[in-house]
Amino acid sequence: QSALTQPPSVSGSPGQSVTISCTGTSSDVGSYNRVSWYQQSPGTAPKVMIYEVTNRPSGVPDRFSGSKSGNTASLTISGLQAEDEADYYCSSHTSSSTYVFGTGTKVTVL
Amino acid sequence: QVQLQESGPGLAKPSETLSLTCAVSGDSISSTNWWSWVRQSPGKGLEWIGEIYHAGSTNYNPSLKSRVTILMDKSKNQFSVSLRSVTAADTALYYCARTHCGGGSCFYFDRWGQGTLVTVSP
Repeated sequence: QSALTQPPSVSGSPGQSVTISCTGTSSDVGSYNRVSWYQQSPGTAPKVMIYEVTNRPSGVPDRFSGSKSGNTASLTISGLQAEDEADYYCSSHTSSSTYVFGTGTKVTVL
Repeated sequence: QVQLQESGPGLAKPSETLSLTCAVSGDSISSTNWWSWVRQSPGKGLEWIGEIYHAGSTNYNPSLKSRVTILMDKSKNQFSVSLRSVTAADTALYYCARTHCGGGSCFYFDRWGQGTLVTVSP
């Protein structure tokens, strides 16, 4: 299985919105609504921000939202804040009962 | 509060077997959740290694399947990973994680350990 494709980096000014794409195949992203997103700050473990494409765990700000169209999922951060600067990874459960992660995207707040 | 803690040698020699354990507190590994291992090579992305369920089922990353075994010790509420025939490419930060499945939702990693660095070197 190949890693899901994400842009290496995205950036935005405080208050702006940024969107990170996550492209897979019909065997992973496109097969079910089993896509999740993780935020990883330097030196820390990943933290789930979105699960099952659109759901936010308790405690995650509502400026984080997820969507999916076909084989591509997206994470949007609205009203970008300095604390959102981190690496973001998507993940998908696959039709083979495995998991695959995305290549990762570094979000920079200008 | 659910906590996961990895432990094991921080150094392995090429061709040897890397073995790590994850101690779980605040949840039973016999719950409805699965339990996973994920690794991250220095400066690189995340790679899922595999998972185990209390009934004994396992799923592995196809690229590692021939070298990996994940086991569970219910009496100690912990699970482990063994990776055989390691090379320098297996040098990574190894995380254990809870794969959430319950309450109508599944298929995401909702609790993570802090990670343990394993270096493969002669």
